[in-house]
Amino acid sequence: DVKVTQSSRYLVKRTGEKVFLECVQDMDHENMFWYRQDPGLGLRLIYFSYDVKMKEKGDIPEGYSVSREKKERFSLILESASTNQTSMYLCASSSRRRDRVYEQYFGPGTRLTVT
Amino acid sequence: GQSLEQPSEVTAVEGAIVQINCTYQTSGFYGLSWYQQHDGGAPTFLSYNALDGLEETGRFSSFLSRSDSYGYLLLQELQMKDSASYFCAVKNHGQNFVFGPGTRLSVLP
Repeated sequence: DVKVTQSSRYLVKRTGEKVFLECVQDMDHENMFWYRQDPGLGLRLIYFSYDVKMKEKGDIPEGYSVSREKKERFSLILESASTNQTSMYLCASSSRRRDRVYEQYFGPGTRLTVT
Repeated sequence: GQSLEQPSEVTAVEGAIVQINCTYQTSGFYGLSWYQQHDGGAPTFLSYNALDGLEETGRFSSFLSRSDSYGYLLLQELQMKDSASYFCAVKNHGQNFVFGPGTRLSVLP
């Protein structure tokens, strides 16, 4: 059974803290993604990575950075957490195969609250 | 810019047929995906259309018209467990997708 796991389901942090969100996939997928999900806005892409040590900015990268040192692991970093980063964060992965690239597998999400 | 539009809410009764529409304006287009998300759960993949026409997968079908920048998800023989949010997503350049705002489907007994 394919699986994407995220380090925490719920996280509460204080303004200004550095926050690490971890994501691991066991499907040997090349592509990994970080989204945030807010009511009425759908899923918005923060960053994605198509290979180890490679990263591309998504639609809302400001205030975030990422790290991909190993193929199976993709980390999202909030350098200095702010209250407007309170959200649900979803990690996803997909194959780069032409016939499979359209199917993303999502983790259970991390609900982050910044106070 | 890039934008996808979906109705925010749809309500239907058990056993009925419901159609969830998606219109898009994106800088590139390679295909349209649909995802289902139950409350508190992760989005799960339902279908993908790269070419015009209808794709059928059991009770769910998805349609695409590239010339109209329009697609829809058709759910037949609705069941209570189909109550969820449904997202369309456009694959544009590269490996990433742009997601719509989602449609909340409520199935009534």
